[in-house]
Amino acid sequence: DAKTTQPPSMDCAEGRAANLPCNHSTISGNEYVYWYRQIHSQGPQYIIHGLKNNETNEMASLIITEDRKSSTLILPHATLRDTAVYYCIVRESGNQFYFGTGTSLTVIP
Amino acid sequence: EAQVTQNPRYLITVTGKKLTVTCSQNMNHEYMSWYRQDPGLGLRQIYYSMNVEVTDKGDVPEGYKVSRKEKRNFPLILESPSPNQTSLYFCASSLYRTEGRNEAFFGQGTRLTVV
Repeated sequence: DAKTTQPPSMDCAEGRAANLPCNHSTISGNEYVYWYRQIHSQGPQYIIHGLKNNETNEMASLIITEDRKSSTLILPHATLRDTAVYYCIVRESGNQFYFGTGTSLTVIP
Repeated sequence: EAQVTQNPRYLITVTGKKLTVTCSQNMNHEYMSWYRQDPGLGLRQIYYSMNVEVTDKGDVPEGYKVSRKEKRNFPLILESPSPNQTSLYFCASSLYRTEGRNEAFFGQGTRLTVV
């Protein structure tokens, strides 16, 4: 069963920050939040992950609320190449990844 | 280069004709899995393997078989394909780790059509 909830689609203007929300209200204390994206029909690509603290890497930032029941992926300056489906995933022990249907992000010129 | 390689990338076959989709990874990962992706349904896990000779069913295992005789290979077998198995298939691998960073690496996909 899906453990995360994401809006089905979002638009973002090119050059602006894209903020993609995710709800994971049933997350347990040792479960990580991962974000992946899938461009067209290519294999999903890892973006970032976190446990409790906010995280930043060269691709994005991840903001996790203090109660860990939701998170936001931030693409600081969206480009047309960021148009993709973004998946928020809560990882169980045993390495199973449960993908939902994700958020289809369209970056508009 | 670290990668997961699937073959073939595209396949059209007829109902009932056995086929195998191969998956190989060069990262010495313990964990491997197969997903299928259908419009509106996202990625659903078919089977997974936590190490050599250890496999288990995912969410949609019916009509599929897998084997894990070697650490690097995890083939997906369709003994008698049916049209409802027409889909986009992905293989993935990762370390078997319950703590810390543990991203999965995905292959480029196999688009299967069963007529």
